[in-house]
Amino acid sequence: AQSVSQHNHHVILSEAASLELGCNYSYGGTVNLFWYVQYPGQHLQLLLKYFSGDPLVKGIKGFEAEFIKSKFSFNLRKPSVQWSDTAEYFCAVGDNNAGNMLTFGGGTRLMVKP
Amino acid sequence: KAGVTQTPRYLIKTRGQQVTLSCSPISGHRSVSWYQQTPGQGLQFLFEYFSETQRNKGNFPGRFSGRQFSNSRSEMNVSTLELGDSALYLCASSRTSGTFTGELFFGEGSRLTVL
Repeated sequence: AQSVSQHNHHVILSEAASLELGCNYSYGGTVNLFWYVQYPGQHLQLLLKYFSGDPLVKGIKGFEAEFIKSKFSFNLRKPSVQWSDTAEYFCAVGDNNAGNMLTFGGGTRLMVKP
Repeated sequence: KAGVTQTPRYLIKTRGQQVTLSCSPISGHRSVSWYQQTPGQGLQFLFEYFSETQRNKGNFPGRFSGRQFSNSRSEMNVSTLELGDSALYLCASSRTSGTFTGELFFGEGSRLTVL
């Protein structure tokens, strides 16, 4: 069975600080990896995704994530956060053979202080 | 275009009752998935429907069921409600035509409280 771990439950940063949120997964097959974000009062939305190819993927709003197969990791990064990045971030794993069933991590709440 | 619409947004039930939640996907999306979100368990997959057929099912008891109609709208039902069923139930649609995309468009959810 797949599992996803996000080790940081709460992160507080000041504006302009760099961000890295950890995500590790457990799965023996070929995975597809995602980061979803939920801004306060809004619905979950896709931030970025990795299916294959270049392990460094870029998403919306300046976010990027790097897939490191040997470490089973898919960490999310942003060089300089803004107050508007305050949100909850979810890492998720999917499988080509499992339709649109995703396994989500527990989420990381990011607060950016102005 | 309109997003995923879930109704009702909030509801309160008592133990033993049943509840039906509704989801209207984005126009043209044929896949509808349901997730349960709780503070303790996070986001957990319930089931996915595609072209009126259940394609996948998560690890939930049989009290949780769903269906999809020919217009892609979906409903989920929980019978014999328990206190632990209190959660935010999220519906997500996808434009998949059969292959996996993983790009889900979520609704705002239906918050169920069981007393």
